[in-house]
Amino acid sequence: NAGVMQNPRHLVRRRGQEARLRCSPMKGHSHVYWYRQLPEEGLKFMVYLQKENIIDESGMPKERFSAEFPKEGPSILRIQQVVRGDSAAYFCASSPVGWNEQFFGPGTRLTVL
Amino acid sequence: GESVGLHLPTLSVQEGDNSIINCAYSNSASDYFIWYKQESGKGPQFIIDIRSNMDKRQGQRVTVLLNKTVKHLSLQIAATQPGDSAVYFCADTFGNEKLTFGTGTRLTIIP
Repeated sequence: NAGVMQNPRHLVRRRGQEARLRCSPMKGHSHVYWYRQLPEEGLKFMVYLQKENIIDESGMPKERFSAEFPKEGPSILRIQQVVRGDSAAYFCASSPVGWNEQFFGPGTRLTVL
Repeated sequence: GESVGLHLPTLSVQEGDNSIINCAYSNSASDYFIWYKQESGKGPQFIIDIRSNMDKRQGQRVTVLLNKTVKHLSLQIAATQPGDSAVYFCADTFGNEKLTFGTGTRLTIIP
């Protein structure tokens, strides 16, 4: 049973470009969460999605950030017009039911030059 | 949700000894707690969880203790091994709300 998969593992973008991060949940999991982690810090919740629905986006910046989890395919976290402050590790997690027992992917490390 | 804090940012333990990592939470309504282990360059790995109707839960070499009176959570690792070196996070939630993570404790195992 494959775990949560994220790609790319490393992503380098120049200021102003778009970053697109993908997450495939564990088989049988329909709940997906995105977190951001700065070096030497804990994880900060960004958004919680189920198939075709955003359940909680209270941790998402109001501008430039968006997330989706379509009926088919992976969940996508999109960051438009990236700035240096967006550099961080972005982790996706999935669970079989809401909020509890989340399993994390390996993360995407975004570097904005 | 309110922040979950940790008493110590770093902890060094001799290989073979037991480790205790502590966590304080401030929200008395929190009803579910999880411990995660994060190795360098990797995603957090689920270790063990506990619900607020329990005060102790045991896994393989790990035990989580919950003291609701003082809002304190601890993770005990028995007979630590080099592979236990990592950052350990506690997280909490209440009702159907998002998980709130603490800042983490870095555990270093001394050979």
